[in-house]
Order: sequence, then C-alpha cells, then structure tokens
Amino acid sequence: SQTIHQWPATLVQPVGSPLSLECTVEGTSNPNLYWYRQAAGRGLQLLFYSVGIGQISSEVPQNLSASRPQDRQFILSSKKLLLSDSGFYLCAWSPTDRPNTGELFFGEGSRLTVL
Amino acid sequence: GQSLEQPSEVTAVEGAIVQINCTYQTSGFYGLSWYQQHDGGAPTFLSYNGLDGLEETGRFSSFLSRSDSYGYLLLQELQMKDSASYFCAKGGGGNKLTFGTGTQLKVEL
Repeated sequence: SQTIHQWPATLVQPVGSPLSLECTVEGTSNPNLYWYRQAAGRGLQLLFYSVGIGQISSEVPQNLSASRPQDRQFILSSKKLLLSDSGFYLCAWSPTDRPNTGELFFGEGSRLTVL
Repeated sequence: GQSLEQPSEVTAVEGAIVQINCTYQTSGFYGLSWYQQHDGGAPTFLSYNGLDGLEETGRFSSFLSRSDSYGYLLLQELQMKDSASYFCAKGGGGNKLTFGTGTQLKVEL
C-alpha cells in the first residue's frame, strides 16, 4: 500500500532563517506531487506541483521554492522566512495513471510558526 | 476565476441530515471533490463528481450540477465524529485542486 510522510511535524523559526520541509511517498512510482499551504481557518492554497523529477510548477509568486531530487521525494524550501510564511504545509500525491479523479492523498502536515 | 463559495459554519444535531452547498466558477473545471478535515489533521478525500448527478458512499452523498455550477455534500445519520471542516475543491487537469474556504460542521447532542 502507498504511504506519504512529511517532516518535521512542527517547527518554530525566526524571521530571516531558512526552511526545509521534506515529503516522501512509498509504494508507488512516478506520482504527481503537490505542496499546499493552509492559513489558520482557511482553505488550502496550491503552492507547487510536480509531474516528475526536476519538473516543478509554481502556482503562486512567493518566498518559497520546491525541488524534486528523486521520484518520490518533494522538498519545500526558503532561504529567508517571512512572518507571512507561517501556516500549515501539506504535501500530497496522486497517481499519474488516474489524472482527473479529484483524489489527493495528504501527508500529516507541517505546522510552521515564524516569529 | 478560481473561487468556490461555501457556508462558513453549519450546526446540526446527532442523527440528523445536513447539506453543505458549494458554488464555483467554471474556468478549468473537471469535477468537484469533497474533503473532510478534523482539527489539526490532514484533509481526507470523501467523494468526487466528474459528471452531473448523485454519488453515494455510505452515509455521505455528493451531487453536482454543471449547468448550475453547483454541488453539495449530504451527510446522513450524523454522528459526533462528523464534527469537522468540509471543503469542496474544483478539479483542474492533473488533479490540481482549488479548494474552497471550508464549512465547519458542529454536531450537537
């Protein structure tokens, strides 16, 4: 069966510090991968989307970047965090052989607080 | 446009039926999904409507009308554990979903 893990689960970072969140998927190959952000009490905003190694689509202009160094690894980074980067970050995957099923499988989330 | 509109809060009693509505803008529309999210947790998939009509999965059903740019999630035989936030999401190509702002459902005794 397929599983998705992301870490760390919680982190508190000062403004201006770097960020790295990591997500890995097991039990499948060549998944579509996604990074979403959820502000408190709000819906999910798509940040990045990837269909393969090294292929990243940025959905909104921002202070963040994403990379996919391996097929089932997706990393979210920032060189200098802003207060507005605080939020709940969610990694998700979907199978590429079922492209329009509306079903994403989410990781447990990483709660980032920037002080 | 990308926005989806849904009520911010709904309250119902245990055992009742509740309907959560969602209207959306049609650009890039493939279908409508519904997700459940408990406080502090990750969203979990409930249902998807790619075609007009009703989809039923146990106590949950979802409906889509493309001509009205409208859908709803119907929850029957409400249980306390159904208290959560519910999101409709508009599907784009490659399962790139645009989420609504969510409806917080409170189930009371």
